[in-house]
Amino acid sequence: GQNIDQPTEMTATEGAIVQINCTYQTSGFNGLFWYQQHAGEAPTFLSYNVLDGLEEKGRFSSFLSRSKGYSYLLLKELQMKDSASYLCAGLDSNYQLIWGAGTKLIIKP
Amino acid sequence: GAVVSQHPSRVICKSGTSVKIECRSLDFQATTMFWYRQFPKQSLMLMATSNEGSKATYEQGVEKDKFLINHASLTLSTLTVTSAHPEDSSFYICSARTITSGDYNEQFFGPGTRLTVL
Repeated sequence: GQNIDQPTEMTATEGAIVQINCTYQTSGFNGLFWYQQHAGEAPTFLSYNVLDGLEEKGRFSSFLSRSKGYSYLLLKELQMKDSASYLCAGLDSNYQLIWGAGTKLIIKP
Repeated sequence: GAVVSQHPSRVICKSGTSVKIECRSLDFQATTMFWYRQFPKQSLMLMATSNEGSKATYEQGVEKDKFLINHASLTLSTLTVTSAHPEDSSFYICSARTITSGDYNEQFFGPGTRLTVL
């Protein structure tokens, strides 16, 4: 079956760095997405990886290892507004998004 | 970037009534639109995939007679929740995929509709 695993909740301190891990099993693989979702809002796109390696975009970076079925989202210089849920989603062979349950990130001052 | 709108953003209705939610791609043409439902503290659950001009493909467990989807044009899809019951209360989100979205077929999400059935 298809499955996306990520931690349920993480806590970090303002100004620090946090890494949110995601492991995936999909029928075929056409890439891995990370979305940010604030409470009561729809997800917003953060990153997309289809090749192995690190993609950096400002304070956010995303890493993919296809051989390990593993990805992580790295958030640097954390700000209070980064408190949100972070959703990992794999794109399967039918170009359907398979969603993880999301990681709730709590930022403390 | 591509913008998707949803209307209404919030709706409260009585049990037994029907509710229609509109999803529009504002600055691009969407060959495919997706309807998701999200319960509190849970992940997005795909309900159906809608292609313009054809019948929607429903996920297992989603009643197509209860959740009517119409994708009449490349910029509009509607979801009608018929005979709504309190258990249908949820956050409904649509997303749209463009014709020329590149290799990775990014989905652009609407802001969501909060449905509360009393």
